[in-house]
Amino acid sequence: DAKTTQPNSMESNEEEPVHLPCNHSTISGTDYIHWYRQLPSQGPEYVIHGLTSNVNNRMASLAIAEDRKSSTLILHRATLRDAAVYYCILRDSGNTPLVFGKGTRLSVIA
Amino acid sequence: NAGVMQNPRHLVRRRGQEARLRCSPMKGHSHVYWYRQLPEEGLKFMVYLQKENIIDESGMPKERFSAEFPKEGPSILRIQQVVRGDSAAYFCASSFSGYTEAFFGQGTRLTVV
Repeated sequence: DAKTTQPNSMESNEEEPVHLPCNHSTISGTDYIHWYRQLPSQGPEYVIHGLTSNVNNRMASLAIAEDRKSSTLILHRATLRDAAVYYCILRDSGNTPLVFGKGTRLSVIA
Repeated sequence: NAGVMQNPRHLVRRRGQEARLRCSPMKGHSHVYWYRQLPEEGLKFMVYLQKENIIDESGMPKERFSAEFPKEGPSILRIQQVVRGDSAAYFCASSFSGYTEAFFGQGTRLTVV
């Protein structure tokens, strides 16, 4: 299985942008890049996913490197409610489950 | 459209008893996934089911654990003869297909005493 590498933790000030990096140097051509987050005491929550092009939705933006070996999840304006563990996951286009790594624990400071 | 519903939210069992965890997927979703999260640890994949079929059970312990997703009704994760080490949060997720985004329930927190 292709693996991802994320920093263990990051810190951000409230109302500032946050860039969460993810390295996936062994990504294959059929792997989608998924991001999920898990708030304290809750189930994981889908954030965004993409294949090659940058993606935007109401929660975040996903910037994918041209060689697809890395990506960045961008929260445009962090709020206290964005404090969570963020997971970058590669998922094949076939019937495969999401496999979670350790993720990045994001702390947001008021 | 209700989200993924898991029940019970909290379950206490004595050692040796059986635990049955239920998961109702989102309407229209036929793919269900079960995960376990030990305290202060990450999410570990257990099993992936699609209506009446087990697609991937590579993360499921070989003994005492079983899962089903019948044609009608919720998916069930069954743990027989529970031990203290089974105490964890169990999350269920569902998706429309095998590669679309998955939606998670709030989890069942199992405590074995």
